[in-house]
Formats: sequence, structure tokens, C-alpha cells
Amino acid sequence: SAVISQKPSRDICQRGTSLTIQCQVDSQVTMMFWYRQQPGQSLTLIATANQGSEATYESGFVIDKFPISRPNLTFSTLTVSNMSPEDSSIYLCSVDRVHYGYTFGSGTRLTVV
Amino acid sequence: QQQVKQSPQSLIVQKGGISIINCAYENTAFDYFPWYQQFPGKGPALLIAIRPDVSEKKEGRFTISFNKSAKQFSLHIMDSQPGDSATYFCAAGGGTSYGKLTFGQGTILTVHP
Repeated sequence: SAVISQKPSRDICQRGTSLTIQCQVDSQVTMMFWYRQQPGQSLTLIATANQGSEATYESGFVIDKFPISRPNLTFSTLTVSNMSPEDSSIYLCSVDRVHYGYTFGSGTRLTVV
Repeated sequence: QQQVKQSPQSLIVQKGGISIINCAYENTAFDYFPWYQQFPGKGPALLIAIRPDVSEKKEGRFTISFNKSAKQFSLHIMDSQPGDSATYFCAAGGGTSYGKLTFGQGTILTVHP
């Protein structure tokens, strides 16, 4: 299956600051997806990132809060801006690989204090 | 219309028993139904997935049963082992929601030795 590397794996951040999460895939993919998993909860899609175009955000998520970059077909970043304790979650990137299905990175566990 | 409802929330099974988790969806345009297994501190791992052209798919001890008319699908884990203890998520996607997965609420499975 696709190898997806996320950095950092975890971080503790001060409220009001921003954190950029990186997602690297071992092969080219058209679409990359960013999800949020709040403590003890299920996964919710934040946005879809296509190379060469602006990300498409789901209801409840906005670009100012979660800016996304997709500079090439193997890499994307998600920034969590102006963080508050409510942003404490696991952030996951995902890709759809033909024959392998939708696979996820190991996630970035963010704690905002 | 995008919801996926999963039950039960938690499940306790004895070693060697059968674990059964159920999901129901609303959007008839969904055409991809995966199950994920998640261990604490890890990202979700794709277990098995099915498309609506078949009613059952088996991979090792894991079987998906799919009922298109009822808009339901279930995961059966045969000969459950303590190592299967994890959180399981069903999801649905495809159709007009290509690339996006809508997740169920998750089931915490505990398999007692």
C-alpha cells in the first residue's frame, strides 16, 4: 500500500500560534485529503488538496484557519492557524491509491495548551 | 444524507468468538465501503473494502456483508483474537463524493483472552 509519512508525529503548542503539518507520499497521487480526529471521536474530512488548484474545504472548515498547500503530486501541508485548545486533535492525511484503496498516514497528534 | 451510522459503540467478545459491527448509510450514490482498524496512537489502517456489485467479501478472518436494498453493511471478525482489540470504523464514499470518505462513529472492540 502507499507509504504516507507525516511530520511531526506529535506536538504541544501554545494557544495563538500556528503549526504546519507535512504529508509526504511515496508516489504521485492526484488528490490528497486532510482529516481531523478529535479525542475519542471519528474522522472528519477537512479539505481535499489537488495539485495546481486551491483546496476544497468541507462545511465548517475555512481556509484562513486551515490553509493547505499542494506544491507537487507527492507532498502537501496543512497549517492549523491561531490555535486554541479546541484544535487539539489528531490530524491525518490520506490518499487514494488504485488497487490499495484510501490509506492514511500515522497522524499528527496536536495538543494546544 | 451523508451520514453513516455505526453500532455498537463498544463490543466485548471472548477469544475465538465472532465480532459483528454494523453500519447503515443514507446516500445511495455511495459505491465504496471500507472498514478501518485503529490502534491507540496510530492512524486508521484499511482492513477490507467492498463495492455494491457484490454482497460479500472475505479476506482471512474478516468478512464484509453488504445489503444494498437495506443500505447496510457489516464487518464480521471470525475467531476473534486479543490482538484484534482496537477501534473499528466503517466508512462510505464514492459517487458524487469521490475521494471523500464519511466515517461512522467507531466501535471499540475488546477481545478477552
